[in-house]
Amino acid sequence: KAGVTQTPRYLIKTRGQQVTLSCSPISGHRSVSWYQQTPGQGLQFLFEYFSETQRNKGNFPGRFSGRQFSNSRSEMNVSTLELGDSALYLCASSLVPASDEQFFGPGTRLTVL
Amino acid sequence: GQQLNQSPQSMFIQEGEDVSMNCTSSSIFNTWLWYKQEPGEGPVLLIALYKAGELTSNGRLTAQFGITRKDSFLNISASIPSDVGIYFCAGRNFGNEKLTFGTGTRLTIIP
Repeated sequence: KAGVTQTPRYLIKTRGQQVTLSCSPISGHRSVSWYQQTPGQGLQFLFEYFSETQRNKGNFPGRFSGRQFSNSRSEMNVSTLELGDSALYLCASSLVPASDEQFFGPGTRLTVL
Repeated sequence: GQQLNQSPQSMFIQEGEDVSMNCTSSSIFNTWLWYKQEPGEGPVLLIALYKAGELTSNGRLTAQFGITRKDSFLNISASIPSDVGIYFCAGRNFGNEKLTFGTGTRLTIIP
C-alpha cells in the first residue's frame, strides 16, 4: 500500500509569490492534516480536512489556505510569501479525523528568498 | 501557538547507552504520543499513551504518561545506530482535536 505522497519535494520561491503544495493520502484515508515544521518552532498545526470540509484550523494568517478534493487529495496554498514561510510542510493522512493513527508524508521543503 | 517543552534539545551518546527524554506542558493532556523523524521523512508514530501513569513499551522504547497529566517520558534502552533521528512528543487535551507538538530531541550516536 503506497504511503502519503507530497509534491513537489522541494520548492524555491521569492517573496510576494504564491505557492501550491499537493498531498495524496493513503488509499482509503479521508482525513488530511497539514503541518509547518521549522527548526525553532517544531511542528505547528495548519489545518485538517475531512470529506472536503475544513474541520480544524491552526493559528496561521489567512495567507495560508487549503482545500480537499472528492478523491481526498488535498492542496495547501500560501499567498504573498514571506521569508518566514520557509519551512518543511508536512501532510498527514488518517482514516478518520483527529486520529492518533496518522501517517505523515516526506514533506515539501519550501525556501523563500 | 501552544508548544510543549521538550528536553533535552539534543543528545550525543555512544552506541549501547540508554537514552531518556521528557516533555512537559502547562496544560493537562488526555493523550500523549511519541514520534520519530528520520532525515528526509515525515514523523512516524512510536507509542501512544492514554491514561495517567500508563507505561507502554515498543521494543527497546518505553514511554510513560505522567501522573500529573502534564508530562511524558521516553526511554530508549541499549541504543543502536538506527535510533538516530529527531524524537517528538505530541499531546492532545480534552475538547481539542488538534495535536500540539514538542520542539523535538535530536539524537546522535557517536561511533
